[in-house]
Amino acid sequence: SQQGEEDPQALSIQEGENATMNCSYKTSINNLQWYRQNSGRGLVHLILIRSNEREKHSGRLRVTLDTSKKSSSLLITASRAADTASYFCATVSGGYNKLIFGAGTRLAVHP
Amino acid sequence: DADVTQTPRNRITKTGKRIMLECSQTKGHDRMYWYRQDPGLGLRLIYYSFDVKDINKGEISDGYSVSRQAQAKFSLSLESAIPNQTALYFCATSDLLGRPQHFGDGTRLSIL
Repeated sequence: SQQGEEDPQALSIQEGENATMNCSYKTSINNLQWYRQNSGRGLVHLILIRSNEREKHSGRLRVTLDTSKKSSSLLITASRAADTASYFCATVSGGYNKLIFGAGTRLAVHP
Repeated sequence: DADVTQTPRNRITKTGKRIMLECSQTKGHDRMYWYRQDPGLGLRLIYYSFDVKDINKGEISDGYSVSRQAQAKFSLSLESAIPNQTALYFCATSDLLGRPQHFGDGTRLSIL
């Protein structure tokens, strides 16, 4: 069963706009990770946020985590056409480093 | 060269055939994973291995088997392929528990 659920399933924006994707999960976690998948390629790790962290930044990416609501958000600021991809959240629980993925958000950034 | 290499990249085969997908890595990681991705779904874990002697079933292991030939090599087999195993298959590696995983570019498998 999938732990994380992303919202929205698809998002279409113009270059320069911000994109926000949300992820909800069901059980307690050790950390939550966001990945990007370009069409026809493997997943690439973007950012990891631990359960005791509330916000993390990496370049144009900002991730928040609310463990009381069991939710996380990924914000991409000043989006570019190259940001077009699917974005997945994945949670890590327990001691086995098993990632449990959501179904992903498909982001399309139009020039 | 890619850190995690999967072969073949594409495969079309028939129902009942035995298929092996191979994964090799140059990252020196002990942990390796096989996932399956279906349209509209996230990745689901098939098998994972913490070292050559430690192999574990994941969420959807039925119909699949694996072999960890060396620290750097982890292969996935479908003993008798069936059409609902048509999917995109990914291999991944990681070093420590809870750390990010590094993915290959996948094998697109079609079973007719």
